[in-house]
Amino acid sequence: EAGVTQFPSHSVIEKGQTVTLRCDPISGHDNLYWYRRVMGKEIKFLLHFVKESKQDESGMPNNRFLAERTGGTYSTLKVQPAELEDSGVYFCASSQVAGSDTEAFFGQGTRLTVV
Amino acid sequence: KQEVTQIPAALSVPEGENLVLNCSFTDSAIYNLQWFRQDPGKGLTSLLLIQSSQREQTSGRLNASLDKSSGRSTLYIAASQPGDSATYLCAVKGGNTPLVFGKGTRLSVIA
Repeated sequence: EAGVTQFPSHSVIEKGQTVTLRCDPISGHDNLYWYRRVMGKEIKFLLHFVKESKQDESGMPNNRFLAERTGGTYSTLKVQPAELEDSGVYFCASSQVAGSDTEAFFGQGTRLTVV
Repeated sequence: KQEVTQIPAALSVPEGENLVLNCSFTDSAIYNLQWFRQDPGKGLTSLLLIQSSQREQTSGRLNASLDKSSGRSTLYIAASQPGDSATYLCAVKGGNTPLVFGKGTRLSVIA
C-alpha cells in the first residue's frame, strides 16, 4: 500500500511567485492534514480536511495560503504570492478516522525555499 | 494552549548505550501521544502511538511510556546503534485538535 506522497520534494521560487504543493493521502483516509516547519521552530498545524470539507483551518498563516481538496482525494496547497518567511518544509499527513487510536501517517515533505 | 517540550535538544552517545528521550506537555487532556523519527531530508516515520488510556507501548528496542497526569512521556532506546541517529519528535493530540509537536531531540549514535 502506498504511503502519503507529496510533490514536489523541493521547490525554489522567487519572492512574489506562486507555488502549488500537492499531497496524495493514503487511499481511504478521509482525514488530511497540512503542517509546516520553518527553520528552528517546531512543526505547526496549518489545516485539516475531512473528505473535501475544511474541518479546521485555524493554523493558516494568512490569505496568501489556499488549500483545496476537491473530490476528497488529493489536496493542493497554493501560496500566492510567496514571501521569504514562507520558506520551510511543508508536511502532509492522513489518517483513517480522527479518533483517539488513530495513527497519523506523514509524507516526506516539500522543502520550499523562497529567494 | 497545548505546548510540548522535548529535552534534551541534542544528544550524542556511543554505540550500545541505552538512552532516554523526554517529552512534556502542558495540557493533560490528550487523546494520544505519538513518537516520530525524522531522518535528514526525509519525512516523519511513526514509531509508537500511545493512547491516553495506555501507560506504555513497545516496538523492538523502543519503549515509550506515558504519564498523562504529570504531562510526561519518555522514549527509551535500548542498545543504541548508529542507524538510530535521527531527530526524534513527540506530538500530542487532543479531542478535536490537531497534533502539537515538540521541537525534537537530535540523536547521534557514535560507532
